[in-house]
Amino acid sequence: EAQVTQNPRYLITVTGKKLTVTCSQNMNHEYMSWYRQDPGLGLRQIYYSMNVEVTDKGDVPEGYKVSRKEKRNFPLILESPSPNQTSLYFCASSPHGTLAGVNEQYFGPGTRLTVT
Amino acid sequence: KNEVEQSPQNLTAQEGEFITINCSYSVGISALHWLQQHPGGGIVSLFMLSSGKKKHGRLIATINIQEKHSSLHITASHPRDSAVYICAVPRRMNSGGSNYKLTFGKGTLLTVNP
Repeated sequence: EAQVTQNPRYLITVTGKKLTVTCSQNMNHEYMSWYRQDPGLGLRQIYYSMNVEVTDKGDVPEGYKVSRKEKRNFPLILESPSPNQTSLYFCASSPHGTLAGVNEQYFGPGTRLTVT
Repeated sequence: KNEVEQSPQNLTAQEGEFITINCSYSVGISALHWLQQHPGGGIVSLFMLSSGKKKHGRLIATINIQEKHSSLHITASHPRDSAVYICAVPRRMNSGGSNYKLTFGKGTLLTVNP
C-alpha cells in the first residue's frame, strides 16, 4: 500500500532532550516536506527536500534540522526541544520536486508532540 | 492579509444539507488543492484542480482562476463529512524558477449533525 509513515505518533518529552521524528514513504517520491499545525495558524512548512541530499528551509525552520540521505526517508530532528515546539507535525511527499505544489500531496498520519 | 482565505471558519449543518466552503487567494496559481482532515488528525487530499470543476462522489470542487476563488460543495451532507477542510495553493519559491511550495488556508471546521 502506498503510504507515508511517521513515528512516533505521540510523544511527550522534556525541554532540551533531543528527539527525532521519522518519516518514510514507499512511493519513490522526489519531494518530501515537514509541516507543523497549530490552532489558529494552520499548516506551516518547516523544511522541505526536493530530492536526495537537497533540503531547504520552509517558513518556520528555527529549532529544527532535517536530512535526506535516502529517497524514502526524511527525519525531523529537534536538537533541543522547547515548549513552543509543542505541535502536531505532518510529513508529506509528492512525486516531483519541481512540481511539488501542483502534484497531489500525500500526508503521513501526524505526530503529536508535547514538550514540557 | 493571508494569501489564502477560507470562509466560513466554522460551519454547522444538519444531515442532508448542501454545504459550500469558499477559498480565495491572492497569488497567481496554476492549481489549487482541497484537503480533508478528520478528527484524530490525518490529512487526505480530496482534489487538485486548475480549471473548471471536479466531482468525486458527493463532493464537488470548482475554481475560477480569473476571480482567484474556489468552492468546495458537499451534497446530501452526512455526519461522517464532519472534518476540517483546508484549501492550499502553490506559490513559486523563487522568481522565474519552477519550484513551488504550498500555502495553506486556516481551514473550515464542518460539523454535520444527524
